[in-house]
Amino acid sequence: QKEVEQNSGPLSVPEGAIASLNCTYSDRGSQSFFWYRQYSGKSPELIMFIYSNGDKEDGRFTAQLNKASQYVSLLIRDSQPSDSATYLCAVSGGSYIPTFGRGTSLIVHP
Amino acid sequence: EPEVTQTPSHQVTQMGQEVILRCVPISNHLYFYWYRQILGQKVEFLVSFYNNEISEKSEIFDDQFSVERPDGSNFTLKIRSTKLEDSAMYFCASSEGQRGGLETQYFGPGTRLLVL
Repeated sequence: QKEVEQNSGPLSVPEGAIASLNCTYSDRGSQSFFWYRQYSGKSPELIMFIYSNGDKEDGRFTAQLNKASQYVSLLIRDSQPSDSATYLCAVSGGSYIPTFGRGTSLIVHP
Repeated sequence: EPEVTQTPSHQVTQMGQEVILRCVPISNHLYFYWYRQILGQKVEFLVSFYNNEISEKSEIFDDQFSVERPDGSNFTLKIRSTKLEDSAMYFCASSEGQRGGLETQYFGPGTRLLVL
C-alpha cells in the first residue's frame, strides 16, 4: 500500500513569515511529486511539481525533494492570509496513478 | 481560459439510487479522470479514460462504478446503487495529449454527492 503522510496541522504562522510544509512517502519507486493548495469546498490547485532531488523555486514557493529520505517539502516565503488553505502533497510513479496525502492546514494570521 | 466544468454542483440521493455525475473536459483534451474526496479525507484516484476505454482504475472503482463518454463533449461517472459511503466530492480532470501526469491535469470544480 503506497502511503503519503502529512501532518494535519493546523500550522499557524504570522503574516510575512516562512511556512514549511512536509510530506513523506513510502514508495521508493515514486518519480513525480506535487503540491496542491485546496480551499475549503474547492478543487485542488496545482502549485508546484518536482521530479529531481534538490530545490525548485517558483515565486514565493520552493519545493524540496530528498528521494533518499523519501521526503518532500514546500516552503512558502512571505506568507499571506490568502495562503491560508489546506496543502496537499501527491506522489506518483510510472503508472501515473497518484497517491495524495490528507493535507496540512495552514493558517496565516495578520 | 478554458476550464473543466461539472454538473450538478450538488446532488442529494437516496441510498440504492443510481446517480450520474457529468463533466465537460477541456475541448482538445484526450485523457479524462475521476477522483473523489470524502469530507476531511484525502483525494483518491478512481479511474482514467482514453480513447473510449478505461486506462487505469483503482480498487475503489468496483462494479458499482462506470464511466462513459456518451458524446464528443461529456464524460460521465455513474454509480449504480449508491451507498452511504459514496458521499464525497467527486472531481473530474482532463489532460491534453497522451497519458498526462498530474502536472498536466486540469481539475473541475467538483460535484458534492450526499447519499441519505
